[in-house]
Amino acid sequence: RKEVEQDPGPFNVPEGATVAFNCTYSNSASQSFFWYRQDCRKEPKLLMSVYSSGNEDGRFTAQLNRASQYISLLIRDSKLSDSATYLCVVTPFTGGGNKLTFGTGTQLKVEL
Amino acid sequence: SQTIHQWPATLVQPVGSPLSLECTVEGTSNPNLYWYRQAAGRGLQLLFYSVGIGQISSEVPQNLSASRPQDRQFILSSKKLLLSDSGFYLCAWSVRWNSPLHFGNGTRLTVT
Repeated sequence: RKEVEQDPGPFNVPEGATVAFNCTYSNSASQSFFWYRQDCRKEPKLLMSVYSSGNEDGRFTAQLNRASQYISLLIRDSKLSDSATYLCVVTPFTGGGNKLTFGTGTQLKVEL
Repeated sequence: SQTIHQWPATLVQPVGSPLSLECTVEGTSNPNLYWYRQAAGRGLQLLFYSVGIGQISSEVPQNLSASRPQDRQFILSSKKLLLSDSGFYLCAWSVRWNSPLHFGNGTRLTVT
C-alpha cells in the first residue's frame, strides 16, 4: 500500500460547483497534514494545513479523519482559477528531519 | 519575510556532463532544506534533506549528491548525468520537522 494515495482524476466540474477530494495515508503515526496546489509546470504552493478539528479558509475546507486515516479537501463555488493539481501531504513522526510524503495529486478542471 | 531562490530555471545538458544546482534561503536561520525531483506526470520524490550545515540525508541511491556548505545554501550535484535524471528539480525549506515546506521556483532539467 502506498504511504499516501489520491485519486488522480481529472475531476471536471462546472464553475460554481462544489467538489471534494480525499486522500488516504497508511502510517497511523502521521502527525501533520497539508494540502498543496500545483499549477502546470510550476512549484507546489501551500494551500492549507489540516487540523484535527477541521479548518476552513474562504471557499476551502479541510478535514482529518484519524480513525479512517484520510484527509479531505472541499472546494465550494469553484472558480476557473481553481483548476490545478491538488497534492495531499503527510508527515510521519521521524524523530528528526522532515520526511513529508506527497501524494501524486488530484487534477481539477473547472469549466464554464 | 523568508524567500527561497533557486537557479537556473531551465537547463539542457548532455548525457555524461556534470550538474550543479544551487538554492539559497533568506530571512530564516537553520532551516531544514530539501531537494525533490518530479518526473513528467509523476509525484514528488524526495532526494535529499538536511537539518544543518554538512548534514545530508539521502533518500534514494543514485548518481546525485547534495551539499550544504552554509546554513542557508543547498547544492545538488552530479558528476555524470543520465537520461533518467531529466525532470523538475525543486528545492524547499521548512522551519522544523512537522511544518510545511516552501518551494523554490524549480529547475527544469533536460538531459539529451
